[in-house]
Amino acid sequence: GAVVSQHPSWVICKSGTSVKIECRSLDFQATTMFWYRQFPKQSLMLMATSNEGSKATYEQGVEKDKFLINHASLTLSTLTVTSAHPEDSSFYICSARGLLQENQPQHFGDGTRLSIL
Amino acid sequence: QKEVEQNSGPLSVPEGAIASLNCTYSDRGSQSFFWYRQYSGKSPELIMFIYSNGDKEDGRFTAQLNKASQYVSLLIRDSQPSDSATYLCAVNIPGGGADGLTFGKGTHLIIQP
Repeated sequence: GAVVSQHPSWVICKSGTSVKIECRSLDFQATTMFWYRQFPKQSLMLMATSNEGSKATYEQGVEKDKFLINHASLTLSTLTVTSAHPEDSSFYICSARGLLQENQPQHFGDGTRLSIL
Repeated sequence: QKEVEQNSGPLSVPEGAIASLNCTYSDRGSQSFFWYRQYSGKSPELIMFIYSNGDKEDGRFTAQLNKASQYVSLLIRDSQPSDSATYLCAVNIPGGGADGLTFGKGTHLIIQP
């Protein structure tokens, strides 16, 4: 089946640091990638949708200047948390889908646990 | 406003019994419905998806969809301790720029040996 790889799986860093998370589709071309965030005991919340070669579309309340998303190729999207603070500590999960698969299940990465000290 | 509602539980079911998980959604434009299982600290994994009214069966799992009532459910037959997890209901409204999944908060299922 389709595989989505996310890296790193765990990050611990100091407040004010910028952190980059990578999401790769290993065996299919991901025309659309999604970034979700999950706080403890909460559900996944969609942060943004990115289509290859286009600017990401952010959900209401998500700061685009803080969460920079790049989707420059059909197999890679990156999320950069700029000047991260403790309140940004969360579980970040990406998912991907291919062309003409709007109704098909998304393939999730294993997630990145971000801890800001 | 996209909303997906689930009872957070915990739902406790004896091993071997049927576990019934329910979900309601607010947006009548929703076309795709998914059930994911999430173990603590892990990413969600797909269990079932359903698009049409009625039942869809896959092994021990049956998804049921009623679009008129805006209701989707998941039945797990012959429940096993390994089924203990949080089950997330998700809906998708395709089209437009931001059409990722909207998740419910999940139901914590406990299968008692």
